[in-house]
Amino acid sequence: AQSVTQPDIHITVSEGASLELRCNYSYGATPYLFWYVQSPGQGLQLLLKYFSGDTLVQGIKGFEAEFKRSQSSFNLRKPSVHWSDAAEYFCAVGPNQAGTALIFGKGTTLSVSS
Amino acid sequence: DGGITQSPKYLFRKEGQNVTLSCEQNLNHDAMYWYRQDPGQGLRLIYYSQIVNDFQKGDIAEGYSVSREKKESFPLTVTSAQKNPTAFYLCASTPGAGRGTEAFFGQGTRLTVV
Repeated sequence: AQSVTQPDIHITVSEGASLELRCNYSYGATPYLFWYVQSPGQGLQLLLKYFSGDTLVQGIKGFEAEFKRSQSSFNLRKPSVHWSDAAEYFCAVGPNQAGTALIFGKGTTLSVSS
Repeated sequence: DGGITQSPKYLFRKEGQNVTLSCEQNLNHDAMYWYRQDPGQGLRLIYYSQIVNDFQKGDIAEGYSVSREKKESFPLTVTSAQKNPTAFYLCASTPGAGRGTEAFFGQGTRLTVV
């Protein structure tokens, strides 16, 4: 079955420190991978996506993610976290064929300490 | 500007009532989706529609109904059969229902049973 796992429910990072949010997926075909961010009470905003090609993808707000097929991972990184990055982050996979929808992980809440 | 509009932002329902959440998009997208979000549960798919007058059940369709009479509109009705409707509901759309299409989200509706 297709699934997405975000092992960390909650992470706290000091402002200016680096960040890595983990995402592992289970998918039967070449995955299409996404990271979204959600501020409290708001919708989801796309940070970045991976379809094919270069396994290191750049996104908005200084985020990047690396696709590692051997590890079934798509971890999100940022070199220096800002207080405004505090939010909930969702990893998603798919769809790989017509008639299916994105599958989301349960999310990681990021807190930023000063 | 193109986007997805969900209304109302907040909705209160009495026990035994049906309520309808509105979702309108002007992106000319073919596919639309409804997700339910609960703390710690990520986004769970309720219903989705690839074309007008057609829709499919997602993972948690029981107690919900939808219609897709127009391309731009995909309303969700939460019926009295839904035993625990208090949640944050997100509507999304994609350009097509094919491979690798990213989803665009509305700002959500928070439904509370009173």
